[in-house]
Amino acid sequence: EAGVAQSPRYKIIEKRQSVAFWCNPISGHATLYWYQQILGQGPKLLIQFQNNGVVDDSQLPKDRFSAERLKGVDSTLKIQPAKLEDSAVYLCASSLVGGGNQPQHFGDGTRLSIL
Amino acid sequence: ILNVEQSPQSLHVQEGDSTNFTCSFPSSNFYALHWYRWETAKSPEALFVMTLNGDEKKKGRISATLNTTEGYSYLYIKGSQPEDSATYLCALRSNSGYALNFGKGTSLLVTP
Repeated sequence: EAGVAQSPRYKIIEKRQSVAFWCNPISGHATLYWYQQILGQGPKLLIQFQNNGVVDDSQLPKDRFSAERLKGVDSTLKIQPAKLEDSAVYLCASSLVGGGNQPQHFGDGTRLSIL
Repeated sequence: ILNVEQSPQSLHVQEGDSTNFTCSFPSSNFYALHWYRWETAKSPEALFVMTLNGDEKKKGRISATLNTTEGYSYLYIKGSQPEDSATYLCALRSNSGYALNFGKGTSLLVTP
């Protein structure tokens, strides 16, 4: 089966600019996750979707980050405006269901650098 | 946010050595524990999802055990190979939320 697709792989922008990431999950996976992984830290969940509804966005900085999953398939994550501390790898993952007892399948991630 | 601790932070072994890492977590409200392997420039790969106290799982030369009473899981690699070099991540899901809480990982380097 095709894996989780993410784009772009790398992005360099200046602070206060905007950026968007795209994710296409594995076909049939109802649950989609966006994680932020800062160097030296473990991945941190930003938002979890079940189909096109939000299950958990408690750690999403909503003043600058937004995410949507229209039609319950692919998803975009946006940062506007970017800050230096947003430099990180942004990982998208999907799973069949979101109960926590199913493995998550990750994409290759987008490495974001803020200058 | 749950505190998931992994040790050691990094490890360097010779090819053929066996090794193990620890993941520690709050034992209350346990729901599931995940192990992932993340090789440089690749995507994290699921190794195990464990839910029951006393669970033992095996995948080739890699195995894991779970003790939910005392709040720890061990990951073992038997006869390490250079291709085992990666960061091994542990993540916990509790009963009080949907999110997986990841540890910082153990970085393993296996040299020939």
